[in-house]
Amino acid sequence: DSGVTQTPKHLITATGQRVTLRCSPRSGDLSVYWYQQSLDQGLQFLIQYYNGEERAKGNILERFSAQQFPDLHSELNLSSLELGDSALYFCASSVVAGSRVYEQYFGPGTRLTVT
Amino acid sequence: SQELEQSPQSLIVQEGKNLTINCTSSKTLYGLYWYKQKYGEGLIFLMMLQKGGEEKSHEKITAKLDEKKQQSSLHITASQPSHAGIYLCGADRTGNQFYFGTGTSLTVIP
Repeated sequence: DSGVTQTPKHLITATGQRVTLRCSPRSGDLSVYWYQQSLDQGLQFLIQYYNGEERAKGNILERFSAQQFPDLHSELNLSSLELGDSALYFCASSVVAGSRVYEQYFGPGTRLTVT
Repeated sequence: SQELEQSPQSLIVQEGKNLTINCTSSKTLYGLYWYKQKYGEGLIFLMMLQKGGEEKSHEKITAKLDEKKQQSSLHITASQPSHAGIYLCGADRTGNQFYFGTGTSLTVIP
Protein backbone atom coordinates (compact mmCIF):
# COMPACT_ATOMS: atom_id res chain seq x y z
CA ASP A 1 0.00 0.00 0.00
CA SER A 2 1.63 3.23 -1.22
CA GLY A 3 -0.50 5.52 0.95
CA VAL A 4 -1.97 7.22 -2.13
CA THR A 5 -5.71 6.72 -2.52
CA GLN A 6 -7.80 7.16 -5.63
CA THR A 7 -11.56 7.15 -6.06
CA PRO A 8 -13.51 5.75 -7.67
CA LYS A 9 -11.82 2.49 -8.56
CA HIS A 10 -13.96 1.99 -11.65
CA LEU A 11 -16.04 4.40 -13.67
CA ILE A 12 -18.25 3.67 -16.66
CA THR A 13 -19.77 6.55 -18.55
CA ALA A 14 -21.01 7.55 -21.98
CA THR A 15 -19.37 9.62 -24.68
CA GLY A 16 -19.83 13.35 -24.26
CA GLN A 17 -20.08 13.15 -20.49
CA ARG A 18 -17.86 14.70 -17.84
CA VAL A 19 -16.23 12.88 -14.92
CA THR A 20 -14.06 13.78 -11.95
CA LEU A 21 -11.35 11.54 -10.59
CA ARG A 22 -10.08 12.11 -7.08
CA CYS A 23 -6.66 11.54 -5.53
CA SER A 24 -5.45 11.86 -1.95
CA PRO A 25 -1.66 11.96 -1.67
CA ARG A 26 0.44 10.34 1.01
CA SER A 27 0.48 12.23 4.26
CA GLY A 28 3.07 14.99 4.02
CA ASP A 29 3.43 14.88 0.22
CA LEU A 30 2.94 18.23 -1.49
CA SER A 31 3.25 17.13 -5.11
CA VAL A 32 0.61 15.27 -7.07
CA TYR A 33 1.08 13.83 -10.56
CA TRP A 34 -1.53 12.47 -12.94
CA TYR A 35 -0.86 9.80 -15.54
CA GLN A 36 -2.95 8.08 -18.18
CA GLN A 37 -2.30 4.49 -19.17
CA SER A 38 -3.92 3.08 -22.30
CA LEU A 39 -3.13 0.07 -24.44
CA ASP A 40 -2.06 2.07 -27.47
CA GLN A 41 -0.25 4.98 -25.78
CA GLY A 42 1.21 3.27 -22.75
CA LEU A 43 1.74 5.31 -19.57
CA GLN A 44 1.70 9.05 -20.26
CA PHE A 45 2.42 11.90 -17.87
CA LEU A 46 -0.43 14.40 -17.84
CA ILE A 47 0.17 17.09 -15.25
CA GLN A 48 1.84 17.88 -11.91
CA TYR A 49 0.71 20.11 -9.07
CA TYR A 50 2.80 21.26 -6.15
CA ASN A 51 1.18 22.79 -3.09
CA GLY A 52 -1.84 23.93 -5.07
CA GLU A 53 0.03 25.33 -8.06
CA GLU A 54 0.46 23.76 -11.49
CA ARG A 55 4.11 22.76 -11.80
CA ALA A 56 4.52 20.84 -15.05
CA LYS A 57 2.38 19.81 -17.98
CA GLY A 58 2.75 16.72 -20.11
CA ASN A 59 0.44 15.31 -22.76
CA ILE A 60 -2.77 16.61 -21.27
CA LEU A 61 -5.66 17.34 -23.61
CA GLU A 62 -7.49 20.66 -23.44
CA ARG A 63 -10.66 18.75 -22.51
CA PHE A 64 -8.88 17.63 -19.33
CA SER A 65 -8.13 19.83 -16.37
CA ALA A 66 -6.88 19.30 -12.86
CA GLN A 67 -6.54 21.14 -9.61
CA GLN A 68 -5.04 20.66 -6.19
CA PHE A 69 -6.97 21.86 -3.19
CA PRO A 70 -5.71 23.44 0.07
CA ASP A 71 -5.94 20.06 1.80
CA LEU A 72 -3.63 18.79 -0.98
CA HIS A 73 -6.05 16.33 -2.53
CA SER A 74 -6.33 16.63 -6.28
CA GLU A 75 -9.03 16.16 -8.86
CA LEU A 76 -8.71 15.39 -12.54
CA ASN A 77 -11.68 16.53 -14.60
CA LEU A 78 -12.31 14.90 -17.96
CA SER A 79 -14.97 16.44 -20.17
CA SER A 80 -16.57 15.76 -23.57
CA LEU A 81 -15.42 12.20 -23.14
CA GLU A 82 -14.51 10.14 -26.19
CA LEU A 83 -14.11 6.39 -26.57
CA GLY A 84 -10.35 6.91 -26.74
CA ASP A 85 -10.31 8.35 -23.23
CA SER A 86 -10.96 4.88 -21.83
CA ALA A 87 -7.87 4.15 -19.79
CA LEU A 88 -6.39 3.62 -16.36
CA TYR A 89 -5.70 6.95 -14.68
CA PHE A 90 -2.99 6.98 -12.04
CA CYS A 91 -2.20 9.54 -9.44
CA ALA A 92 1.21 9.67 -7.79
CA SER A 93 2.57 11.84 -5.01
CA SER A 94 5.93 12.94 -3.70
CA VAL A 95 7.28 15.23 -1.01
CA VAL A 96 9.03 17.81 -3.14
CA ALA A 97 8.36 19.64 -6.38
CA GLY A 98 11.30 18.43 -8.43
CA SER A 99 10.96 14.74 -7.75
CA ARG A 100 12.51 12.07 -9.89
CA VAL A 101 10.19 9.35 -11.14
CA TYR A 102 11.44 6.85 -8.58
CA GLU A 103 10.49 9.19 -5.75
CA GLN A 104 6.84 9.16 -6.77
CA TYR A 105 4.41 6.85 -4.99
CA PHE A 106 1.63 5.60 -7.21
CA GLY A 107 -1.99 5.03 -6.29
CA PRO A 108 -3.95 1.98 -7.46
CA GLY A 109 -5.58 3.88 -10.33
CA THR A 110 -9.08 4.61 -11.58
CA ARG A 111 -10.25 2.57 -14.54
CA LEU A 112 -12.41 4.69 -16.83
CA THR A 113 -14.53 3.06 -19.49
CA VAL A 114 -16.29 5.30 -21.99
CA THR A 115 -19.09 3.58 -23.92
CA SER B 1 6.55 7.69 -31.58
CA GLN B 2 7.50 6.60 -28.09
CA GLU B 3 10.66 7.90 -26.44
CA LEU B 4 11.14 4.60 -24.67
CA GLU B 5 10.50 1.43 -26.64
CA GLN B 6 10.33 -1.90 -24.89
CA SER B 7 10.70 -5.35 -26.35
CA PRO B 8 9.17 -7.76 -26.42
CA GLN B 9 5.63 -6.46 -25.96
CA SER B 10 4.61 -9.68 -24.27
CA LEU B 11 6.32 -12.76 -23.02
CA ILE B 12 5.01 -16.15 -21.94
CA VAL B 13 7.53 -18.38 -20.21
CA GLN B 14 7.53 -21.64 -18.31
CA GLU B 15 8.28 -21.37 -14.61
CA GLY B 16 11.99 -21.71 -13.96
CA LYS B 17 13.07 -20.20 -17.29
CA ASN B 18 15.23 -17.10 -17.63
CA LEU B 19 14.06 -14.09 -19.61
CA THR B 20 15.22 -10.63 -20.72
CA ILE B 21 13.25 -7.44 -21.36
CA ASN B 22 14.84 -4.53 -23.22
CA CYS B 23 14.19 -0.81 -23.07
CA THR B 24 15.65 1.48 -25.75
CA SER B 25 15.59 5.25 -25.59
CA SER B 26 15.45 7.56 -28.60
CA LYS B 27 17.23 10.25 -26.55
CA THR B 28 20.30 10.31 -24.34
CA LEU B 29 19.73 8.40 -21.16
CA TYR B 30 20.84 9.99 -17.91
CA GLY B 31 19.08 7.52 -15.74
CA LEU B 32 16.50 4.84 -16.09
CA TYR B 33 13.97 3.23 -13.78
CA TRP B 34 12.25 -0.11 -13.81
CA TYR B 35 8.76 -0.64 -12.44
CA LYS B 36 6.48 -3.61 -12.10
CA GLN B 37 2.75 -3.30 -12.41
CA LYS B 38 0.33 -5.99 -11.40
CA TYR B 39 -2.69 -6.06 -13.68
CA GLY B 40 -5.03 -3.18 -12.81
CA GLU B 41 -2.85 -2.00 -9.92
CA GLY B 42 -0.35 0.76 -9.32
CA LEU B 43 3.34 0.78 -10.13
CA ILE B 44 5.93 -0.75 -7.84
CA PHE B 45 9.42 0.71 -8.10
CA LEU B 46 12.03 -2.00 -8.71
CA MET B 47 15.34 -0.21 -9.25
CA MET B 48 17.08 2.82 -10.70
CA LEU B 49 20.19 2.87 -12.90
CA GLN B 50 22.13 6.09 -13.20
CA LYS B 51 25.55 5.37 -14.64
CA GLY B 52 26.63 3.66 -17.83
CA GLY B 53 27.54 0.09 -17.17
CA GLU B 54 25.71 0.08 -13.88
CA GLU B 55 24.12 -3.19 -12.89
CA LYS B 56 21.71 -3.71 -10.01
CA SER B 57 19.95 -6.74 -8.62
CA HIS B 58 16.83 -7.21 -6.58
CA GLU B 59 16.16 -10.80 -5.61
CA LYS B 60 16.21 -12.68 -8.94
CA ILE B 61 15.87 -9.56 -11.09
CA THR B 62 18.97 -7.87 -12.56
CA ALA B 63 19.02 -4.70 -14.61
CA LYS B 64 21.85 -3.13 -16.60
CA LEU B 65 22.29 0.24 -18.27
CA ASP B 66 24.25 0.67 -21.51
CA GLU B 67 24.50 4.44 -22.02
CA LYS B 68 26.25 4.14 -25.39
CA LYS B 69 23.45 2.05 -26.82
CA GLN B 70 20.88 4.12 -24.90
CA GLN B 71 19.48 0.85 -23.71
CA SER B 72 18.68 -1.01 -20.53
CA SER B 73 17.91 -4.66 -20.04
CA LEU B 74 16.03 -6.40 -17.25
CA HIS B 75 16.86 -10.05 -16.69
CA ILE B 76 14.86 -12.46 -14.56
CA THR B 77 16.51 -15.68 -13.50
CA ALA B 78 14.48 -18.81 -12.76
CA SER B 79 11.14 -17.07 -13.25
CA GLN B 80 8.26 -17.73 -10.85
CA PRO B 81 4.52 -17.05 -11.11
CA SER B 82 5.04 -14.15 -8.70
CA HIS B 83 7.10 -12.41 -11.41
CA ALA B 84 4.06 -12.14 -13.66
CA GLY B 85 2.88 -8.63 -14.45
CA ILE B 86 3.71 -5.68 -16.64
CA TYR B 87 7.26 -4.34 -16.56
CA LEU B 88 7.77 -0.69 -17.41
CA CYS B 89 10.93 1.30 -17.86
CA GLY B 90 10.86 5.02 -17.09
CA ALA B 91 13.04 8.11 -17.42
CA ASP B 92 13.06 11.76 -16.43
CA ARG B 93 13.68 14.67 -18.70
CA THR B 94 14.42 18.28 -17.83
CA GLY B 95 11.48 20.45 -16.97
CA ASN B 96 9.80 17.86 -14.80
CA GLN B 97 8.77 15.63 -17.68
CA PHE B 98 8.38 11.93 -17.05
CA TYR B 99 8.35 9.18 -19.66
CA PHE B 100 7.58 5.51 -19.53
CA GLY B 101 8.16 2.67 -21.93
CA THR B 102 5.43 0.86 -23.79
CA GLY B 103 5.46 -1.99 -21.28
CA THR B 104 6.16 -5.71 -21.43
CA SER B 105 3.50 -8.11 -20.25
CA LEU B 106 4.99 -11.19 -18.60
CA THR B 107 3.08 -14.42 -18.01
CA VAL B 108 4.75 -17.26 -16.12
CA ILE B 109 3.16 -20.67 -16.55
CA PRO B 110 3.50 -22.94 -13.50
